[in-house]
Amino acid sequence: QKEVEQNSGPLSVPEGAIASLNCTYSDRGSQSFFWYRQYSGKSPELIMFIYSNGDKEDGRFTAQLNKASQYVSLLIRDSQPSDSATYLCAVKEEYGNKLVFGAGTILRVKS
Amino acid sequence: DTEVTQTPKHLVMGMTNKKSLKCEQHMGHRAMYWYKQKAKKPPELMFVYSYEKLSINESVPSRFSPECPNSSLLNLHLHALQPEDSALYLCASSPIGGSYEQYFGPGTRLTVT
Repeated sequence: QKEVEQNSGPLSVPEGAIASLNCTYSDRGSQSFFWYRQYSGKSPELIMFIYSNGDKEDGRFTAQLNKASQYVSLLIRDSQPSDSATYLCAVKEEYGNKLVFGAGTILRVKS
Repeated sequence: DTEVTQTPKHLVMGMTNKKSLKCEQHMGHRAMYWYKQKAKKPPELMFVYSYEKLSINESVPSRFSPECPNSSLLNLHLHALQPEDSALYLCASSPIGGSYEQYFGPGTRLTVT
């Protein structure tokens, strides 16, 4: 059974701080990794994807991938109250186009 | 443009009703997905269509019947649902190849009475 693990939180950070969200996965053959943000009552929104080891930056967001450790993280710099949401980590299975989702981490940014 | 649209936004139906959910994308994606999401849980995959053919059915009960009329449209036909089927139903699309990144529509909030 392929698994994606996330700390459910809530993770509380003060406004302006760096929020660090972590995810581990079991399928060593996985090649593509995704972070979705989901506000309460809304649908998931894709905010980052990464498939190469190292860092990928987009504005205030940085995704980090370490395939040897089977670890993906999302850093949010200068956190804002509007970043308060559930962050879902998803991993594409090695073959096909199915995503395996983690349970999500609740992030709360306090002003 | 990364928009996936879904109609209706909300649906209330009785256990004997027949209804359909609709999804549309114009990103040229050739994979489309139906997910079910319960409160405080991640999306749960139901069906995958690749090149307009059903490629994955995650052992979904037959009261849910998917249809892909063309590469832009995806339907989910509902019949004889149970109250426990009440959930947010999400459609997504992705390219086939590359990163396979999936984009979700806004969802249909379904209540079965």
